[in-house]
Amino acid sequence: QVQLVESGGGVVQPGKSLRLSCAASGFTFSTYAMHWVRQAPGKGLEWVAHISYDGTYQLYADSLKGRFTISRDNFKSTLHLQLNSLRAEDTAVYYCARSISGVGFDYWGQGTLVTVSS
Amino acid sequence: DIQLTQSPSSLSASVGDRVTITCRASQGISTSLAWFQQKPGRAPKSLIFAASGLHSGVPSRFSGSGSGTDFTLTISSLQPEDFATYYCQQYKTYPLTFGGGTKVEIK
Repeated sequence: QVQLVESGGGVVQPGKSLRLSCAASGFTFSTYAMHWVRQAPGKGLEWVAHISYDGTYQLYADSLKGRFTISRDNFKSTLHLQLNSLRAEDTAVYYCARSISGVGFDYWGQGTLVTVSS
Repeated sequence: DIQLTQSPSSLSASVGDRVTITCRASQGISTSLAWFQQKPGRAPKSLIFAASGLHSGVPSRFSGSGSGTDFTLTISSLQPEDFATYYCQQYKTYPLTFGGGTKVEIK
């Protein structure tokens, strides 16, 4: 069965960096586009970033202003999100999600909490 | 960016009720719309794709309709496990955007 398991979240000081991971299993990871979506406490869902199946194409939410980088390792079936220059407003649960052309998101991970606080 | 406006933002309903949630896009998105269900402390769950397609394993009491700018999620007979927050999302163009959510509560 399809599984997406995020890790790497935690408490980090403003201005610091963090790297999130999403381990995929139960499907051929290298053939699917992937995304990160976040949800601030008590708020709605916000799309963060997209990466193509082969990692050659990435898209980001404008609000991130170049601070985040999405990447993938198809040999290890793992998706990453590098978060730099973190701000208090980046505090959120970060979810990875698989997508299919014409369908959109089908599977989501359970999420990992990032708390930016001094 | 395409804005999605959901209404209502919350509703109270009883088990067995028919519930309808609407999602309006700021510009036409054909049928590139999805619906998700989220329970407190849990990840979103995919319900509907392409405006009316049902994801595998989703009960048939859930249905979606619409195209262009106006979309609807209907729960034909509300069950206890359906009390949750529901989000629409467009995937016609980037950036992908979500509606603000509709919280379905027990009356």
